[in-house]
Amino acid sequence: GENVEQHPSTLSVQEGDSAVIKCTYSDSASNYFPWYKQELGKGPQLIIDIRSNVGEKKDQRIAVTLNKTAKHFSLHITETQPEDSAVYFCAAVGSGGYQKVTFGTGTKLQVIP
Amino acid sequence: NAGVTQTPKFRVLKTGQSMTLLCAQDMNHEYMYWYRQDPGMGLRLIHYSVGEGTTAKGEVPDGYNVSRLKKQNFLLGLESAAPSQTSVYFCASSTDMNTEAFFGQGTRLTVV
Repeated sequence: GENVEQHPSTLSVQEGDSAVIKCTYSDSASNYFPWYKQELGKGPQLIIDIRSNVGEKKDQRIAVTLNKTAKHFSLHITETQPEDSAVYFCAAVGSGGYQKVTFGTGTKLQVIP
Repeated sequence: NAGVTQTPKFRVLKTGQSMTLLCAQDMNHEYMYWYRQDPGMGLRLIHYSVGEGTTAKGEVPDGYNVSRLKKQNFLLGLESAAPSQTSVYFCASSTDMNTEAFFGQGTRLTVV
């Protein structure tokens, strides 16, 4: 089955700096890669996603890149703000949809004011 | 628009007790899912449903049962709770297989 590795597990940055979280996956059939943000006591919320036919996607301060050949994708947050502090999860979704989803183990991001 | 609502938010059970977690969505989504979240691990799929009246097993189905009698509701049952089922449970729904999943706020279950 699919295996998703996410690094780092914790990340501290100064406000205004950039943060990068990386994920690798094993199943070349995975074709949808969402990123979720989970704030304390809440459920995960989608912040950005990318499909296998796209190499990069950007939404304001957030961007995701996908390298299908190397089977890795990354989340980039620029100009970090304290409200970006949360746990971020990557996921790889296979051709069977969310029935075939594998989540990463999460990255706890702390933005220091 | 409430989105995905889970009840209850917290529950403590004794080993061997049973309970049902309720998930309700008001977005007319076909697909619904139950996950568990444990420390240091990603979300793991317990059961899912691709439409009213259908259910299927996910990655970790043992010890759980589900029902989807109405399109908007997805119930997760524990017939005989065990300490290993102590976890945070999340329900989610989506319009299609490969689109955004909307999550509820979670249910923290402790089995003692």
